[in-house]
Amino acid sequence: NAGVMQNPRHLVRRRGQEARLRCSPMKGHSHVYWYRQLPEEGLKFMVYLQKENIIDESGMPKERFSAEFPKEGPSILRIQQVVRGDSAAYFCASSPYTAGADTQYFGPGTRLTVL
Amino acid sequence: SQKIEQNSEALNIQEGKTATLTCNYTNYSPAYLQWYRQDPGRGPVFLLLIRENEKEKRKERLKVTFDTTLKQSLFHITASQPADSATYLCALLNNAGNMLTFGGGTRLMVKP
Repeated sequence: NAGVMQNPRHLVRRRGQEARLRCSPMKGHSHVYWYRQLPEEGLKFMVYLQKENIIDESGMPKERFSAEFPKEGPSILRIQQVVRGDSAAYFCASSPYTAGADTQYFGPGTRLTVL
Repeated sequence: SQKIEQNSEALNIQEGKTATLTCNYTNYSPAYLQWYRQDPGRGPVFLLLIRENEKEKRKERLKVTFDTTLKQSLFHITASQPADSATYLCALLNNAGNMLTFGGGTRLMVKP
């Protein structure tokens, strides 16, 4: 059973470009969570999604950031018009039940560097 | 506001000794608490979950305690090994019950 997969593992963008981060949850998991980890800081919750629904996006910046988890295919975290402050590691996690009711399984992360 | 605090300073110990890491929280009434391990450049890996009605939980060389009165969890690694060197994160379910909040983590360095 493959774990949570994220791609790309490393992404370099210039200021103003768009970044698309993909997450494929573990098989049988219908809940996806995105976290951001800035250098030397802890994991910060961004958004919680179930298939085709955003359940909680309280940790997501109001502008430039969006997330989706379509019926088919991976979850996508999209950052428009990236700025240097967006440089961070972005982790995706999945669980088979509602948030926290089960262990969250993390992917390896996507490291975004904005030049 | 809800806070989770872990010692931000690295913990350096000698191989074979017991490492003890602390997680303190405020303004939470968690049903359970989790501990994760994170290695550099990798995602967190789940280690242990302890429920509010459990005082202690063990898994091989790991032991977690949970004191809801003190609002504190202790994470112990006995007979530590250099391979245990990593950052250890505690996490709590928020009061709304819909997301995990992580502490900042404590880096453990086990020297041979």
